Amino acid sequence: DILMTQSPSSLSASVGDRVTITCRASQAINSYLNWYQRKPGRAPKLLIYSTSALQSGIPSRFSGSRSGTNFTLTISSLQPEDFATYYCQQSYNTPDTFGRGTRLEMK
Amino acid sequence: QVQLQESGPGLVKPSETLSLTCTVSGALISNYYWTWIRQPPGKGLEWIGYISFSGTTKYNPSLRSRLTMSTDASKKQFSLNMKSVTAADTALYYCAGTTVTTSSSFVEFWGQGTLVTVSS
Repeated sequence: DILMTQSPSSLSASVGDRVTITCRASQAINSYLNWYQRKPGRAPKLLIYSTSALQSGIPSRFSGSRSGTNFTLTISSLQPEDFATYYCQQSYNTPDTFGRGTRLEMK
Repeated sequence: QVQLQESGPGLVKPSETLSLTCTVSGALISNYYWTWIRQPPGKGLEWIGYISFSGTTKYNPSLRSRLTMSTDASKKQFSLNMKSVTAADTALYYCAGTTVTTSSSFVEFWGQGTLVTVSS
């Protein structure tokens, strides 16, 4: 299985901060990398698919990029509703695999 | 607005079969691959597999021998059966809808999840 190493596992930040979360794949996955947001008691939400495509309805402060097997989710200016846990997922090889998550907390 | 709702027993005995159903509303069921994902307590998300309403299935190889997925188009439901469960199968189980194209695959819709505990 492809191992997705996500960092950091937790992050404290303030409203207005620029935040970056990274995922490194254990092998090449082309651009088959997606990002999700999960809040307690709620259905996870797709933010970004295919590395950098913004899902419909997701604010433009969210963006994704790639350098080789390293993938980045950036939130350009953190808003109060962004405090949540974020996961990456590779869908290049079966089984799909996920990063362990980054918990984004208010500083 | 697409909604997915998981249903099924919250408690299953060891060695028995875990059965969950997901009801879909607000989505054209033929457009997606209907997916199961789980998260054991304190662990990461694990992709279980998916099924389409045309019958295509793809399972996690580590679970394949214990899995059966099925669909009921008339009820807009899809189901997961996992046999011979152990405590390691205790998890929050999500049903979800995956979009698959020639160049991408992503989980577009998720249910809220249902906790299944395996215990005698």
